[in-house]
Amino acid sequence: QKEVEQNSGPLSVPEGAIASLNCTYSDRGSQSFFWYRQYSGKSPELIMSIYSNGDKEDGRFTAQLNKASQYVSLLIRDSQPSDSATYLCAVNPSSSNTGKLIFGQGTTLQVKP
Amino acid sequence: GAVVSQHPSWVICKSGTSVKIECRSLDFQATTMFWYRQFPKQSLMLMATSNEGSKATYEQGVEKDKFLINHASLTLSTLTVTSAHPEDSSFYICSARDQGGTGSEQFFGPGTRLTVL
Repeated sequence: QKEVEQNSGPLSVPEGAIASLNCTYSDRGSQSFFWYRQYSGKSPELIMSIYSNGDKEDGRFTAQLNKASQYVSLLIRDSQPSDSATYLCAVNPSSSNTGKLIFGQGTTLQVKP
Repeated sequence: GAVVSQHPSWVICKSGTSVKIECRSLDFQATTMFWYRQFPKQSLMLMATSNEGSKATYEQGVEKDKFLINHASLTLSTLTVTSAHPEDSSFYICSARDQGGTGSEQFFGPGTRLTVL
């Protein structure tokens, strides 16, 4: 079992729709979770961090965390073509005291005009 | 804030040569920096954790004698790919953790694309 799993996609949604990206992790003791966006040929850009169960909203983005289910998701409302990118889920494992992150393989999102 | 730079942004070298990549945190201090490698269509793979003033911690399977890491100050870490070969061609990305931050957020540099001929 991979430490952090994501569906590679592509996930295709029409412009204006809600895109839902999902991620599961294996380390039950993990405390910190992150979503990064990566455009083709570029480095990752931090979108959201979440540390507590529940929802965290920032503009069009909402991160959801359920530690009991070891599940974290990212919702993008009113999706725009510029949101088309690969979204990486990252988890800070409980075994690390350096803040290292384990990344999922990423989900490619395509927003069609 | 939280800007990380990398230099060079791309490099082409001959097989057998060494290449040094610099990673700098521009507006914050970073006790810890991380080096990743990303092959096409694949996710980020952590190579090593760079610790200011001490030896780097390498992930399993990463040759420490081939990928030399030096973290001489709170704002600079370098990765040297020694005796590079074509299979080392990849996108190398560093990240830095804000020492003054409350979480584990890592901020990434723009990456260095290495091509070994």
